[in-house]
Amino acid sequence: AQTVTQSQPEMSVQEAETVTLSCTYDTSESDYYLFWYKQPPSRQMILVIRQEAYKQQNATENRFSVNFQKAAKSFSLKISDSQLGDAAMYFCAYRTNQGAQKLVFGQGTRLTINP
Amino acid sequence: DAGVIQSPRHEVTEMGQEVTLRCKPISGHNSLFWYRQTMMRGLELLIYFNNNVPIDDSGMPEDRFSAKMPNASFSTLKIQPSEPRDSAVYFCASSSRQTRSGANVLTFGAGSRLTVL
Repeated sequence: AQTVTQSQPEMSVQEAETVTLSCTYDTSESDYYLFWYKQPPSRQMILVIRQEAYKQQNATENRFSVNFQKAAKSFSLKISDSQLGDAAMYFCAYRTNQGAQKLVFGQGTRLTINP
Repeated sequence: DAGVIQSPRHEVTEMGQEVTLRCKPISGHNSLFWYRQTMMRGLELLIYFNNNVPIDDSGMPEDRFSAKMPNASFSTLKIQPSEPRDSAVYFCASSSRQTRSGANVLTFGAGSRLTVL
């Protein structure tokens, strides 16, 4: 079974600085998707960024980018120019492209932005 | 699109009572998922449906939990009888398997916070 591990329960960063959240996963498959979701205090789960495993190019969405290392099974999220609104729980998630389409989540990282 | 709609947003009930959580997926989405979130266990998949058919219910904790999807626009998660350990946030999510470029994104509802006293 696939597993996702986020080794940083909490992280903090100064406003306008850059922070990187770590995620590793375990799978024997070659075709899958990886995601980062953000959960602010409102508890709404919001998609931040998505990466297809067959793409070598790292995904970017404005201030958010990933470092996808397929061989190392690593998928970190970099947030540049951190803003107060970035404060939230961040979840890394895995989804196979074979059969079951469910998301497997990591434990989450709580990100605090210091003004 | 109004997104995935869940009700109620908050539910407080007493142990032993029946609880029904409701979900309306995004129109056109053919997969629906029920997740539970707790501090101790994080986000757990309870059950998911493809084209209204339950595919995997291995995450359903026990017989007290049941889920139905009578049509493409409605699903329920029922707990009967409820227990204090069922207190959690329950999320419904939907997705659509379309082209590769637009596929495989789960859109979540706002969640239903359940408190069982």
